[in-house]
Formats: sequence, C-alpha cells, structure tokens
Amino acid sequence: SQTIHQWPATLVQPVGSPLSLECTVEGTSNPNLYWYRQAAGRGLQLLFYSVGIGQISSEVPQNLSASRPQDRQFILSSKKLLLSDSGFYLCAWSYGLPGAYEQYFGPGTRLTVT
Amino acid sequence: SQQGEEDPQALSIQEGENATMNCSYKTSINNLQWYRQNSGRGLVHLILIRSNEREKHSGRLRVTLDTSKKSSSLLITASRAADTASYFCATGGGNSGGYQKVTFGTGTKLQVIP
Repeated sequence: SQTIHQWPATLVQPVGSPLSLECTVEGTSNPNLYWYRQAAGRGLQLLFYSVGIGQISSEVPQNLSASRPQDRQFILSSKKLLLSDSGFYLCAWSYGLPGAYEQYFGPGTRLTVT
Repeated sequence: SQQGEEDPQALSIQEGENATMNCSYKTSINNLQWYRQNSGRGLVHLILIRSNEREKHSGRLRVTLDTSKKSSSLLITASRAADTASYFCATGGGNSGGYQKVTFGTGTKLQVIP
C-alpha cells in the first residue's frame, strides 16, 4: 500500500530564517506530487506541482521554491521566511496517469513564522 | 483562484441526523470530488463523481452532480460524532502541464453533536 510522510509536523521559525519541508511517498512510482498551503479556516492553495524528477511548476509567485531530487521526494524551501508564510502546508500525491484525479495527502506541517 | 464554493460554511447537527453540504462551481468540469479534513490533519478522499454521472453512493455518503446548474451536494446520512470535520469539494478540469488539474473549494465545517 502507498503511504506519504511529511516532516516536521510543527515548526516555529523566526522571520528571515530558511525553511525546508520534506515529503516522501512510498509504495508507488512516478507519482505526481503537490505542495499546498492552507491558511487558518480556509481552503487549499496550490503552490507547486511536479510530474517528474526535476520538473517543478509554480502556481503562485511567492517567497517559496520546490525541488524534486528523487522520484518520490518533494521538498519545499525558502531562503528567508516572511510572516505571511505562516500556515498549514500539505503535500499530496496522485497517480501519474491520465484521468487520475484523486489526490492522497500527507499529515501536514504547521508552520508559524514569528 | 478557487473554483468551488461550499455552502453552508458551517453546519451543526445532532448525532443521527442527516447532513447536506452543497458545492457550486463556475466552469466546465470533468469530475468533482469530495474530501474530508479532520482538524489539524491532511485531507482524505471520499468520493469522485464524473461529469456524466448524476448520483453516486459510498456507504453513508450520497453525492449528486447537476452539471446544468454547476452544483453538487454531499449527503451524510445518520451522522456520527466521528463525522465532525471540514468537507471540501474539488473540481477536476483538463490537463495542465501534464497533470490532472484539481481546484479545491473553501470547505464546510461540520459539527456533529453527540
């Protein structure tokens, strides 16, 4: 069966510090991978998606970047955090097949920028 | 931009009652999904209904889709306290850069009172 891991679960970082959130998927190959941000009590905002190693697409211009160094590893980074980067970050995967719309989410990382 | 909008934003019912949530969207879709999110957790896929389907069932869940009105409803029958969560609709469009584009709504927060 497939599983998705995210870490850390919670993070408190000062403004201007760097960020690295990691997501890994097990039990499947060539998944599509996604990073979302969810503000308190709000819906999901797609930040980045990836259809393959080294292939990253950004949906929203911002202070963040993403990388996919391995097939099942997706990393969200920032060189200098802003207060507005606070939120709940969710990684998700889907099968890399036509018509595969279902997405499977990790447990999330709660980021607080102080 | 958010395509789906759920209604109501919040719903409180007694255990055993039925809960109905609605989702409206603006553009043509290939499918529509419903997800559940328990507080502070990742989203869990519940059900997908394709644009050529009008109704779908899964256990205590019943989903309808009316493409002429660009709306969907999620009915949870005989609700339980464990159904307390936020529920999101997600609309699926065509391909976008090699992946199946999915756009999430803003969610309905359901509270089931024991």
